[in-house]
Amino acid sequence: AQKVTQAQTEISVVEKEDVTLDCVYETRDTTYYLFWYKQPPSGELVFLIRRNSFDEQNEISGRYSWNFQKSTSSFNFTITASQVVDSAVYFCALSEAGNAGNMLTFGGGTRLMVKP
Amino acid sequence: GAVVSQHPSRVICKSGTSVKIECRSLDFQATTMFWYRQFPKQSLMLMATSNEGSKATYEQGVEKDKFLINHASLTLSTLTVTSAHPEDSSFYICSAVTAPLYEQYFGPGTRLTVT
Repeated sequence: AQKVTQAQTEISVVEKEDVTLDCVYETRDTTYYLFWYKQPPSGELVFLIRRNSFDEQNEISGRYSWNFQKSTSSFNFTITASQVVDSAVYFCALSEAGNAGNMLTFGGGTRLMVKP
Repeated sequence: GAVVSQHPSRVICKSGTSVKIECRSLDFQATTMFWYRQFPKQSLMLMATSNEGSKATYEQGVEKDKFLINHASLTLSTLTVTSAHPEDSSFYICSAVTAPLYEQYFGPGTRLTVT
């Protein structure tokens, strides 16, 4: 069975600090997808990224970057120069069975608080 | 990207009553929709998979007679919480899957409070 672990339940940083949110996953499938979502206080999930298991290239999008390492089953997310607006709960998720449209297994979430 | 709506966004009902939540894909057809539940300060847990024209598949521990799911068309799935109790108070989020790209889009969620 698939599993996603976000060991950090809560992180607090001061604005402009860099912060890394960890995500470790377990799956028996060779083809799978990994996701990161942001959930602000409103509750709506905001899609951040999707990666398939065959693409281990790191990705950078503005202040966001992701490090996918199959050898350690990790898909970590780094926010550079954090801002107060980054405060939210962040979820890492896994989709198995070879397509991104399958059900998602979510990690427990990491609550990020960025203080001014 | 594709848009998924949920209605209502927030509902308060009395214990023992039923409440219906709608999930609509606004600009695409979705043969599959998922219903998730999120208790306060917890993660999202899959409740059921809803396929158009067939019975929903429920996850272990989710009562199918309490959480009725109807996926009557390619753009609408409904979740009815029957005989709601305070412990059913939660945030319910649906997602819809496009075909053939199999991309999944989430609705904005429905916050249910049972008093």
